[in-house]
Amino acid sequence: DAGITQSPRHKVTETGTPVTLRCHQTENHRYMYWYRQDPGHGLRLIHYSYGVKDTDKGEVSDGYSVSRSKTEDFLLTLESATSSQTSVYFCAITPYASGGIGADTQYFGPGTRLTVL
Amino acid sequence: EDQVTQSPEALRLQEGESSSLNCSYTVSGLRGLFWYRQDPGKGPEFLFTLYSAGEEKEKERLKATLTKKESFLHITAPKPEDSATYLCAVRNSGAGSYQLTFGKGTKLSVIP
Repeated sequence: DAGITQSPRHKVTETGTPVTLRCHQTENHRYMYWYRQDPGHGLRLIHYSYGVKDTDKGEVSDGYSVSRSKTEDFLLTLESATSSQTSVYFCAITPYASGGIGADTQYFGPGTRLTVL
Repeated sequence: EDQVTQSPEALRLQEGESSSLNCSYTVSGLRGLFWYRQDPGKGPEFLFTLYSAGEEKEKERLKATLTKKESFLHITAPKPEDSATYLCAVRNSGAGSYQLTFGKGTKLSVIP
């Protein structure tokens, strides 16, 4: 699991409520990612971070925001959850601080199952 | 737009019956092709990274190969514990491109 923990592991919430998911890593990795996984779509990138306070959008970023105030934590926030955001959310890291061969592999956490009613 | 298509969607094998999973991809420039294994309720587990056509990598009963248009994951004499969904992904070589584009996966079931 590449030293990644995600919390909570399961959450049920109601439409319109804010939700924050946390990804925590203990090995000082620079690159961190949030994906969602849905049947029929595969894994899709929501946002990623390449350092403290450095983040950028992925393929499906609408309705999501992220923050990274310290290296070890990458937070994903749904400002106002909708039923279409019911999904399994995975955090991932790339374990190399610089480029080059081997700098591309992403290692995934255990996931958070989110249900929006 | 990068695209990854995996086939078949599902595959049932008898224990010991070797087979291959296919990953076809379209990408403007390939930085790397990745194979993962995912068990139900768990995160994807990294298996292989391939970088250039002709490259091959092996791990136990699995062997991954790469051409300019597709990758194969060969499974030799599979066991029931190889049952899982296998995911393929590509990364574009474009500057600043950190995104992995995933296929939908092949669900492998190995019957004792």
